[in-house]
Amino acid sequence: AQSVAQPEDQVNVAEGNPLTVKCTYSVSGNPYLFWYVQYPNRGLQFLLKYITGDNLVKGSYGFEAEFNKSQTSFHLKKPSALVSDSALYFCAVRDWTGANNLFFGTGTRLTVIP
Amino acid sequence: SAVISQKPSRDICQRGTSLTIQCQVDSQVTMMFWYRQQPGQSLTLIATANQGSEATYESGFVIDKFPISRPNLTFSTLTVSNMSPEDSSIYLCSVGTGGSPGEQFFGPGTRLTVL
Repeated sequence: AQSVAQPEDQVNVAEGNPLTVKCTYSVSGNPYLFWYVQYPNRGLQFLLKYITGDNLVKGSYGFEAEFNKSQTSFHLKKPSALVSDSALYFCAVRDWTGANNLFFGTGTRLTVIP
Repeated sequence: SAVISQKPSRDICQRGTSLTIQCQVDSQVTMMFWYRQQPGQSLTLIATANQGSEATYESGFVIDKFPISRPNLTFSTLTVSNMSPEDSSIYLCSVGTGGSPGEQFFGPGTRLTVL
């Protein structure tokens, strides 16, 4: 069975500092991993994905994520946080078999402090 | 990518009534999904809406409570039946475009409050 863990409900970071939002996963076989962002009163927006290939994946708005198979992690990172990055971030996973449905983590609320 | 709209964007309903939520996509898609996001919680998949066949429901969700229609490749509806306050959630429609394994695009959601 697939599962995703986001160990931090809340992450606070000062504007201009690097940010990390953590995600670990459990899946049978090779994972497909995703990050989505949800701004207030808006739907989920796709940020980036890992399917195969380079472990460092670059996505929208300057975000990137590093796939680490040995640690079963897919942490979201950004070198320099903006106040506008403040939002709710969801990690999601599916395995390489079966339907396209995604399993989501519980979300991490990122607050970037001016 | 796909542009997805949902109607209504929000509603306040009385206990025991039903609400039908519409999801419209600007292109033909094979797979459509319905999720629920309860207050302060993550997304939970309700069902996968298949065109031309019955929807596939996840554990804990049943057709009598959440009937789904998928009459064509651009449209789906989710009905929340016999509502109770516990059904107060955001309901999200998403589509899988098939171009990328598992990548989904989400509608803006329908915020439902049941009194």
